[in-house]
Amino acid sequence: QSVLTQPPSASGTPGQRVTISCSGSSSNIGRNTVSWYQQFPGTAPKLLIYSNNQWSSGVPDRFSGSKSGTSASLAISGLQSEDEADYYCAAWDDSLSGPVFGGGTKLTVL
Amino acid sequence: QVQLQESGPGLMKPSQTLSLTCSVSGGSISSGGYYWSWIRQHPGKGLEWLGYIYYTGSTDYNPSLKSRVNLSLDTSKNQFSLKLSSVTAADTAVYYCAREGRYCTNGVCYSWFDSWGQGTLVTVSS
Repeated sequence: QSVLTQPPSASGTPGQRVTISCSGSSSNIGRNTVSWYQQFPGTAPKLLIYSNNQWSSGVPDRFSGSKSGTSASLAISGLQSEDEADYYCAAWDDSLSGPVFGGGTKLTVL
Repeated sequence: QVQLQESGPGLMKPSQTLSLTCSVSGGSISSGGYYWSWIRQHPGKGLEWLGYIYYTGSTDYNPSLKSRVNLSLDTSKNQFSLKLSSVTAADTAVYYCAREGRYCTNGVCYSWFDSWGQGTLVTVSS
């Protein structure tokens, strides 16, 4: 059971805008910043977004992050087939004194 | 650009101690500013933080594994290592080493993992 809650799946058609949510609590997202990761099968996660809405180097601006209260979202606009992957959110948790992750969302491009 | 590479056995027997090493290139683990971490991913599941070690040698561990985990540094080799004792089948996972950037200011902690190793699958089976 992951500390942060994400929907297990999301989908969209090419060109569409999709949003992936990440829900936490006052000890993690409510107080600290959120990062987002993209993972293709058999590979390591790759940092997409940090500090809620800052792009990691080389990440296209089709990806954007936001945070409100104890929830965060990753939006992908102009969806492309190459975006089909698993996406994870993460945040520092004050109670754990460590980072916590969401369970991941599998994005399917129809 | 910093690169990380895990190494260690792929197959373990229950009750053994798992030892993994992460070799870092393109940057020094002694330079400070980053936390050197281990994260694992059970087959088909999400990510689980195991612990970190700072260049000073200070560590912190996930409370759920604290009694079994130990991290160490070898600055002369630019490596850091994970030991996980008394492994069971539940420890079967892909183990990643990663570099965490983190700072806390005004009560807000900023944390992100900007470099990852490729991961190594560890299977625990009798």
